[in-house]
Amino acid sequence: EDKVVQSPLSLVVHEGDTVTLNCSYEVTNFRSLLWYKQEKKAPTFLFMLTSSGIEKKSGRLSSILDKKELFSILNITATQTGDSAVYLCAVPTQGGSEKLVFGKGTKLTVNP
Amino acid sequence: EAGVAQSPRYKIIEKRQSVAFWCNPISGHATLYWYQQILGQGPKLLIQFQNNGVVDDSQLPKDRFSAERLKGVDSTLKIQPAKLEDSAVYLCASSLDGFYVRGVLAGARGTQYFGPGTRLTVL
Repeated sequence: EDKVVQSPLSLVVHEGDTVTLNCSYEVTNFRSLLWYKQEKKAPTFLFMLTSSGIEKKSGRLSSILDKKELFSILNITATQTGDSAVYLCAVPTQGGSEKLVFGKGTKLTVNP
Repeated sequence: EAGVAQSPRYKIIEKRQSVAFWCNPISGHATLYWYQQILGQGPKLLIQFQNNGVVDDSQLPKDRFSAERLKGVDSTLKIQPAKLEDSAVYLCASSLDGFYVRGVLAGARGTQYFGPGTRLTVL
């Protein structure tokens, strides 16, 4: 069964800190890994990673994939209170349905 | 570009009652998904449509849940009768298109974009 495990489940930091969120996966026929940010209800897309070692970057957020070790990390530098959210990692499963299997998420709280 | 629209945003019902949720995907997106997200968990796929056909409903509790996408655009998800454990956020997502292998639909393509969700509380 395809599986996504995120750690830590919860993280509290102060503004300006740098955080690293982890996502490990077990999936047959890996194609991609996605990161989403969920603030209130709707997850919003951050990154799609398909190749090992190539960093995706958007402002203070960056992510990288290691297909050999089956994990990805999401880095946030110089955190702000607006970064407080649940960060979800997901992989599409095998077969034609392309359904996403999500981890439980990491709840990040950034205190002023 | 307008995003995925869902309604209602919140719904409170008593157990054994019925409820329906509506979703309008991003214009032009052929693939539509309904996910259930229980508090503290990641979203779990209930059903996936490609145009008006069902691609995957393996995790849909078919004794009480039903969904349709009759014209291949908007979709409704119904629960009848509701149970306490159905309390969750119901998320709708859409993605652009399918891809074909030797003329057979082989899967969806592209990033999934989520609507704001409907928070259902069953008392």
